[in-house]
Amino acid sequence: QLQLQESGPGLVKPSETLSLTCTVSGGSISSSTYYWAWIRQPPGKGLEWIGSVSYSGSTHYNPSLKSRVTMSVDTSKNQFSLKLSSVTAADTAVYYCAKPHLQLVGGAFDIWGPGTMVTVSS
Amino acid sequence: EIVLTQFPATLSLSPGERATLSCRASQSVSSYLAWYQQKPGQAPRLLIHDASNRATGIPARFSGSGSGTDFTLTISSLEPEDFAVYYCQQRSNWPLTFGGGTKVEIK
Repeated sequence: QLQLQESGPGLVKPSETLSLTCTVSGGSISSSTYYWAWIRQPPGKGLEWIGSVSYSGSTHYNPSLKSRVTMSVDTSKNQFSLKLSSVTAADTAVYYCAKPHLQLVGGAFDIWGPGTMVTVSS
Repeated sequence: EIVLTQFPATLSLSPGERATLSCRASQSVSSYLAWYQQKPGQAPRLLIHDASNRATGIPARFSGSGSGTDFTLTISSLEPEDFAVYYCQQRSNWPLTFGGGTKVEIK
């Protein structure tokens, strides 16, 4: 069955760029038209959708983060990625990648990665 | 942006009791609303999609209802493993948004 796994640095310095990758296993990222998503959760707080990207590179971003977010897909590696620039302490969170239950539209998200904690600190 | 408001923030109940959680949208989301359960240290788990459809493997004690702006998640009889935080989420419009969550705690 399909599985997702986030990877990337656990510590990022303020003003630098946070870079994360989600590896998809058990299926091909390019065999379907899902909008693969990134979602984050600051410690002790709720969930925030960051954005979604299709295998063709079409994107939707949260307006509150849009100026700092870039998402892309690498079909050769069966991965999609997140870059968040100019990070501050407010970007400290657990970052999840997730798959929506339907193609061509945004989630409900039926498959999630386990999450990766990213701390922004000097 | 569609704002989702969940209430109550905390629900204190005993095992075996019925739990009723609410989610209200700032504008109509039709039936494009999902519910998730999250336990400490775990990723959220999809319970209900499109207002009333249980996700794969979800027990029948979980049910969802509503349309438009007002939605309800009902747990008919709480099991010990159901004490957790529950979130609603809309997929009607971009940007996708989540509610602030309801914590179901043991009374």
